[in-house]
Amino acid sequence: KNEVEQSPQNLTAQEGEFITINCSYSVGISALHWLQQHPGGGIVSLFMLSSGKKKHGRLIATINIQEKHSSLHITASHPRDSAVYICAVDFGNEKLTFGTGTRLTIIP
Amino acid sequence: AAGVIQSPRHLIKEKRETATLKCYPIPRHDTVYWYQQGPGQDPQFLISFYEKMQSDKGSIPDRFSAQQFSDYHSELNMSSLELGDSALYFCASSLAAYPAGNYGYTFGSGTRLTVV
Repeated sequence: KNEVEQSPQNLTAQEGEFITINCSYSVGISALHWLQQHPGGGIVSLFMLSSGKKKHGRLIATINIQEKHSSLHITASHPRDSAVYICAVDFGNEKLTFGTGTRLTIIP
Repeated sequence: AAGVIQSPRHLIKEKRETATLKCYPIPRHDTVYWYQQGPGQDPQFLISFYEKMQSDKGSIPDRFSAQQFSDYHSELNMSSLELGDSALYFCASSLAAYPAGNYGYTFGSGTRLTVV
């Protein structure tokens, strides 16, 4: 069964802290997406990964294909980073299977 | 840069009415996906189209139908609406590139449907 698990479900941190959100999946994949969803619902695509590491500003995403695991890191976190972060996986059929999301709250 | 456009942004319908949601993909994208996200739930895949043909089907009720037109925009038609259809409906588009998979997977802002 194609499954995607995220941890933690909820994360509260102080402004400036280094944030890590984890995603594990059950079988081989074509690609993994990290998405951001703000209150009100709009989804923004942060990264699409099939191997290695990508960086954009304060965001870093890594994936370990052998371990079937990906992490999203946020450096120097800021209250505007508060959102739900979702890991979504393409198991090879191009539709995405979504993780349950991590609700991140950054406190000033 | 152009993004995926969905309309309307918000829609309120009564039970048993019909709703039509529209999705305009990024130019040159040939694949469209529809997802449904109920309150407090993960998005669930409904249906996808590639080059105007249905390419995959998920948990889409028989009351719903969809199609992709010659200009690649897609419409999701929902009939006999039920209270449980209230959700955020996302469209995404990509460019299929066999055999390497899809590129530029981009989401629209969603249509929030409320059935009363």
